[in-house]
Amino acid sequence: DSGVTQTPKHLITATGQRVTLRCSPRSGDLSVYWYQQSLDQGLQFLIQYYNGEERAKGNILERFSAQQFPDLHSELNLSSLELGDSALYFCASSGGVGQGASYEQYFGPGTRLTVT
Amino acid sequence: AQKITQTQPGMFVQEKEAVTLDCTYDTSDPSYGLFWYKQPSSGEMIFLIYQGSYDQQNATEGRYSLNFQKARKSANLVISASQLGDSAMYFCAMREGSSGYSTLTFGKGTMLLVSP
Repeated sequence: DSGVTQTPKHLITATGQRVTLRCSPRSGDLSVYWYQQSLDQGLQFLIQYYNGEERAKGNILERFSAQQFPDLHSELNLSSLELGDSALYFCASSGGVGQGASYEQYFGPGTRLTVT
Repeated sequence: AQKITQTQPGMFVQEKEAVTLDCTYDTSDPSYGLFWYKQPSSGEMIFLIYQGSYDQQNATEGRYSLNFQKARKSANLVISASQLGDSAMYFCAMREGSSGYSTLTFGKGTMLLVSP
């Protein structure tokens, strides 16, 4: 158990809909990362938040957005869903206060999104 | 150019034998880190081992060791005494820069199958 939690575990929805994926980082970790894993694109970085602020952006579509709340949990919002958005979405966390250079990113179990 | 290259789509090994999974990387940043993750069929991403670019010795974690050859820009994962539970997808990843909170770039992965 990595200590990172993600809900829901599975999500099935229709094209055009909007969903929200939730992530709680490991205790003390300030950084949250979102990744998308699909068969054709592999594992791709979407976006990173550090202590509530957006820090880095990767291959994130404009239809997708995220935020990190004061309690450090994060949500990834996916809207106007398309069939190609079906993928495994991971949240990872790193960088706990007082741990020095904590380079490892610990991944949550993922949310499997199926768009029909 | 790809930043992380894993040239072996699949590897087979017999139980109790050692196996090496290849990873080469491309970066011009003198400070970087290399990671290996394991993804079993259940889908979670499990952190295995980390090597920093300035680390003098190869990283080891139990049965896992990282054969770091900086001049060749390779960071191969060695699994000693393979077990059936080692059957999984293995990803090599790189962090560029000296911040502990940088994002990771992943390779396409190597599927390892361990047979009895």
